[in-house]
Amino acid sequence: LAKTTQPISMDSYEGQEVNITCSHNNIATNDYITWYQQFPSQGPRFIIQGYKTKVTNEVASLFIPADRKSSTLSLPRVSLSDTAVYYCLVGGYSGNTPLVFGKGTRLSVIA
Amino acid sequence: GAVVSQHPSRVICKSGTSVKIECRSLDFQATTMFWYRQFPKKSLMLMATSNEGSKATYEQGVEKDKFLINHASLTLSTLTVTSAHPEDSSFYICSAPAQGGNTGELFFGEGSRLTVL
Repeated sequence: LAKTTQPISMDSYEGQEVNITCSHNNIATNDYITWYQQFPSQGPRFIIQGYKTKVTNEVASLFIPADRKSSTLSLPRVSLSDTAVYYCLVGGYSGNTPLVFGKGTRLSVIA
Repeated sequence: GAVVSQHPSRVICKSGTSVKIECRSLDFQATTMFWYRQFPKKSLMLMATSNEGSKATYEQGVEKDKFLINHASLTLSTLTVTSAHPEDSSFYICSAPAQGGNTGELFFGEGSRLTVL
């Protein structure tokens, strides 16, 4: 299973764009990249998933370079409610493959 | 998206008792479910893979006789913490893969916080 490396923490002011980069140098050909958000005392919540290039949904964008050895989660105009831990996970061509969590990035949004 | 529900969300028990946590997939079938535990300010640690109709697969270091997992139907997996002790106090989270998906996306339950006195 591909190991991921993320910054331990980040701070941002409200209204700013936040970019969290994740390194996954040994990503396999069939691996997808998935980002989850977790609030205290809650289960992780799916944010976005991609395989290559750029993916955008209503809450975030995911940028994946051609070599796929890293990915960047972009949160536009963060608010206080975006304060959470963000996990980058890699793997799972088979839906029955468990995802192994790294340490995640603790984002603190400041007013 | 698909919904995974856990019950109870919080439980407090005395040391030596057993506690059962249920994980249900509400609107899809899950032949496989995953159980994680999480300590304060730490990441999720995979405990075991629950397989419908067969034995669970435990991660290294997880005692199978301590953490009993049963996956009796396509929508229900249970984790029983037997003879619980204070060090078993943790946040337990279950998840199930997206139905028919091949991308590894997981749907997570709300989590169950166990406090052993």
